[in-house]
Amino acid sequence: DTEVTQTPKHLVMGMTNKKSLKCEQHMGHRAMYWYKQKAKKPPELMFVYSYEKLSINESVPSRFSPECPNSSLLNLHLHALQPEDSALYLCASRPTLGTREYEQYFGPGTRLTVT
Amino acid sequence: GENVEQHPSTLSVQEGDSAVIKCTYSDSASNYFPWYKQELGKGPQLIIDIRSNVGEKKDQRIAVTLNKTAKHFSLHITETQPEDSAVYFCAARVGAGGTSYGKLTFGQGTILTVHP
Repeated sequence: DTEVTQTPKHLVMGMTNKKSLKCEQHMGHRAMYWYKQKAKKPPELMFVYSYEKLSINESVPSRFSPECPNSSLLNLHLHALQPEDSALYLCASRPTLGTREYEQYFGPGTRLTVT
Repeated sequence: GENVEQHPSTLSVQEGDSAVIKCTYSDSASNYFPWYKQELGKGPQLIIDIRSNVGEKKDQRIAVTLNKTAKHFSLHITETQPEDSAVYFCAARVGAGGTSYGKLTFGQGTILTVHP
């Protein structure tokens, strides 16, 4: 089983709203990622959590706030977004031990539209 | 940091033909090279990968080759089918000692269309 789930599938929000994206995996992976993907482009790394601690922040604006409440869950809190933040937000996870240590598995994404 | 170039950007083949997508990378510390398939409206799906200590890996109709000296790797799909139509991304992961350690750097993607 290599399933990463993300909710919601679609989200439309105004520039003054606060919303959250949720990601979940039950594969025991201790590294979890948030990526942003614009149309016809590759995923761009935003944040990396390793063992529930933030290990990489790719200079993402503070209107995006990640949270890792436990080893299975990853949230992305959104506040005061801009229209250019509209994109597909992807969560990914990977094992940190074993022969499949490097394999990163993506969820289906949340399609975010900021109006 | 690492830079990955991917070619071609679009590829159109007839069903049953072979398809080849090529990527080059810049950081000699890269040690892991996955390929992802992304269908419309879905997240990227890991389809095959190769580590730097291996030259070739095959899984049914797909294969990946790696040339560390030239710093390039390729995806080969044989006997293509319409359901192979998707966007394919290559990526490189920089190992210890590299400035982008542990991160995946993606190529720009190849839109593969398989005509029935």
